[in-house]
Amino acid sequence: GAVVSQHPSWVICKSGTSVKIECRSLDFQATTMFWYRQFPKQSLMLMATSNEGSKATYEQGVEKDKFLINHASLTLSTLTVTSAHPEDSSFYICSASRPGQSNQPQHFGDGTRLSIL
Amino acid sequence: DAKTTQPTSMDCAEGRAANLPCNHSTISGNEYVYWYRQIHSQGPQYIIHGLKNNETNEMASLIITEDRKSSTLILPHATLRDTAVYYCIVRVKTSYDKVIFGPGTSLSVIP
Repeated sequence: GAVVSQHPSWVICKSGTSVKIECRSLDFQATTMFWYRQFPKQSLMLMATSNEGSKATYEQGVEKDKFLINHASLTLSTLTVTSAHPEDSSFYICSASRPGQSNQPQHFGDGTRLSIL
Repeated sequence: DAKTTQPTSMDCAEGRAANLPCNHSTISGNEYVYWYRQIHSQGPQYIIHGLKNNETNEMASLIITEDRKSSTLILPHATLRDTAVYYCIVRVKTSYDKVIFGPGTSLSVIP
């Protein structure tokens, strides 16, 4: 079964609003989670690394004030797209790996499809 | 970071073995090879990973060459549900354990 859960799976909202996406690790604690964005017919692009209890680390070119990440507990990371505009419409995916050995695979959520009108 | 090269697309007849190649000629000695797949409109799914020995699980087999510069993912009896984009990834060895995706191989299983 799923070990990483995302919510919501689909959201449509008006331009200018903020949207929060949740990512939960279901049966393990994750000190680190990752957020990806995927445009149609393209591969996943890593946006940021979410660190429990500290600031997220953003990849080059990703606006940290636009994409707010909060990792307030060991099982929950949130991504807030602030003042969303149509160009922010995309498929957002999170991932986490079980703690322990460093070669543990990443487990991915089912993604959140965001459409900004 | 080691990079990977995969064919853009492949076709496979239903019921036949699907062999997906991946080149990773700059892989370092302590980096693992991972395979994931993404079915349309879903999150990526972990398939298998290995370091240097061949690996098999309920989903697939992973064959890694002796020099570790390439590998092949084998789906022994492909079904229509195996149609997906398959990503070969060499794990970035940082404290964050990031997974960086390339374009992958789009596998179409044909009836």
